[in-house]
Amino acid sequence: GAGVSQTPSNKVTEKGKYVELRCDPISGHTALYWYRQSLGQGPEFLIYFQGTGAADDSGLPNDRFFAVRPEGSVSTLKIQRTERGDSAVYLCASSPKADTYNEQFFGPGTRLTVL
Amino acid sequence: AQTVTQSQPEMSVQEAETVTLSCTYDTSESDYYLFWYKQPPSRQMILVIRQEAYKQQNATENRFSVNFQKAAKSFSLKISDSQLGDAAMYFCAYRSATKRYGNKLVFGAGTILRVKS
Repeated sequence: GAGVSQTPSNKVTEKGKYVELRCDPISGHTALYWYRQSLGQGPEFLIYFQGTGAADDSGLPNDRFFAVRPEGSVSTLKIQRTERGDSAVYLCASSPKADTYNEQFFGPGTRLTVL
Repeated sequence: AQTVTQSQPEMSVQEAETVTLSCTYDTSESDYYLFWYKQPPSRQMILVIRQEAYKQQNATENRFSVNFQKAAKSFSLKISDSQLGDAAMYFCAYRSATKRYGNKLVFGAGTILRVKS
């Protein structure tokens, strides 16, 4: 079956612009996670959804970052007034449910470059 | 807060040989999960192996095995009979077993593994 998909694969934008990054989880997976991976670093947690609601958004760095999952499937990570420091790979993962035992399946990520 | 440390930025191994990647972590919890993920240049994170902290027996998956030392908070990955396809970035990760810290993974900084033919 299809895995987690993310679009676009790469996004180049200018400082100050608004961007949206999309994640399509595996069908039927109710839990969805966003991570950010800066160059040479491990992924860092941003937010996770159980269904439509954000169950934990403690990793969002500031109020320029926002994520939604209106129908409990596709999720969009939104970044306002982008800064050069936002440049990173944004990874999405999904799991059958928000259970600590369940494996998280990762997408290929979106590489965001802010010029 | 939990932290994960990988002290080896880069490792090299000869094809068919064995290599061990190190990982230490810090937590006050007694129940948790530990993982090793592989990330090739395609960026796709792939789960290699998982260990439940309550299990004393070390996990194994074919050529991959771990040495889990709970008291020392150490979780190393051993790759036997290394293959060219094993070359990638490897991440050690921690996940709480309680809902207090949610279901997020906490990753180390990674170790680049190079396999020489």
